[in-house]
Amino acid sequence: AQTVTQSQPEMSVQEAETVTLSCTYDTSESDYYLFWYKQPPSRQMILVIRQEAYKQQNATENRFSVNFQKAAKSFSLKISDSQLGDAAMYFCAYRGWGGSEKLVFGKGTKLTVNP
Amino acid sequence: GAVVSQHPSRVICKSGTSVKIECRSLDFQATTMFWYRQFPKQSLMLMATSNEGSKATYEQGVEKDKFLINHASLTLSTLTVTSAHPEDSSFYICSASPGTGPYEQYFGPGTRLTVT
Repeated sequence: AQTVTQSQPEMSVQEAETVTLSCTYDTSESDYYLFWYKQPPSRQMILVIRQEAYKQQNATENRFSVNFQKAAKSFSLKISDSQLGDAAMYFCAYRGWGGSEKLVFGKGTKLTVNP
Repeated sequence: GAVVSQHPSRVICKSGTSVKIECRSLDFQATTMFWYRQFPKQSLMLMATSNEGSKATYEQGVEKDKFLINHASLTLSTLTVTSAHPEDSSFYICSASPGTGPYEQYFGPGTRLTVT
């Protein structure tokens, strides 16, 4: 079974600085998706970024980028120019390639942004 | 972007009663819907996966007779908590996925259930 590990229960960053959240996963599949989701205090799950495993290029969405190392099964999220609104729980997730594949979540990292 | 709604957002019910939570995809057809439970300060725990017109597939340890899931149409899935007890109090989140790739899951805003 696939597993996702987030080894940092909590992280903090100064406003305008850069922070990296770590995620490792385990799978025997070659095709899959990886995601980072943000859950602010409202508890609405928000997709931050998606990476297809077959793509070598790291995904980027504005201030958010990933470092995807397929061989190492590592998928870290870098947040640049951190803003107060970035404060939230961040969940790393794995999903298989098929249509009904379920998301496997890590335990999450609570990010605090200090003004 | 795709929008998923949940109703109600909060519900309080008495022990022993049943409560129904609705999950709707507002602007797309959801071939598959997922139901999650989230305890405070924890991650999302998948309860079941439902495909339109089929019986739901429950995760190990989830009581299918307590948590009834119906996915009667491509835009609506319901979760009924039967004979609710205080330990069923939790935050329930649904997600919906269209029938085309990359089969993104779009999340509802969640429902806070409190059983007194």
